[in-house]
Amino acid sequence: KQEVTQIPAALSVPEGENLVLNCSFTDSAIYNLQWFRQDPGKGLTSLLLIQSSQREQTSGRLNASLDKSSGRSTLYIAASQPGDSATYLCAVTVWGGSQGNLIFGKGTKLSVKP
Amino acid sequence: EPEVTQTPSHQVTQMGQEVILRCVPISNHLYFYWYRQILGQKVEFLVSFYNNEISEKSEIFDDQFSVERPDGSNFTLKIRSTKLEDSAMYFCASSDVRINEQYFGPGTRLTVT
Repeated sequence: KQEVTQIPAALSVPEGENLVLNCSFTDSAIYNLQWFRQDPGKGLTSLLLIQSSQREQTSGRLNASLDKSSGRSTLYIAASQPGDSATYLCAVTVWGGSQGNLIFGKGTKLSVKP
Repeated sequence: EPEVTQTPSHQVTQMGQEVILRCVPISNHLYFYWYRQILGQKVEFLVSFYNNEISEKSEIFDDQFSVERPDGSNFTLKIRSTKLEDSAMYFCASSDVRINEQYFGPGTRLTVT
């Protein structure tokens, strides 16, 4: 059974710092991996999608990497800002019936201090 | 930019009542999903839906739950005889192909009293 783990559970950094969030999964048979942002009491905003054949994806200050064989992904955030404060969720797509569905980690709660 | 919408944003109901949560997926998407998140816990998959049929359902999605696409735009989750433990945030998502980025709605917070 696929399990997704995110470490650390919480992270507090000063503004301007570069940081890395970690995600690991137990079964390398994934189709893709998505990183999401969740603000308190709100929905999920998709940040990046990495296909299983890709090694990394970039969007602005965000860079996500994927090492499928070792079951790991990282989300790198450059020059962090207070507005980046949120919970970041990692999810892998597994095959279910006739379409994929997502298995989520519990998230890393990021706090960026001004 | 197209987005997934959900109504209501917050629903309070008494134990034993039936609730219907509504979602309007992105218009050209064909694959639909419901997930839930109990406070402080992981987002959990409930059910996936394509071509007017359930593709897969999780262990959570028992006979208490049902989904429907009553018309060309809405996608609903019905919970019969609600229990206290059904209190959670329910998210609808959609995607354009079988395995691709899923776009989530803002969620419906269900509180069962």
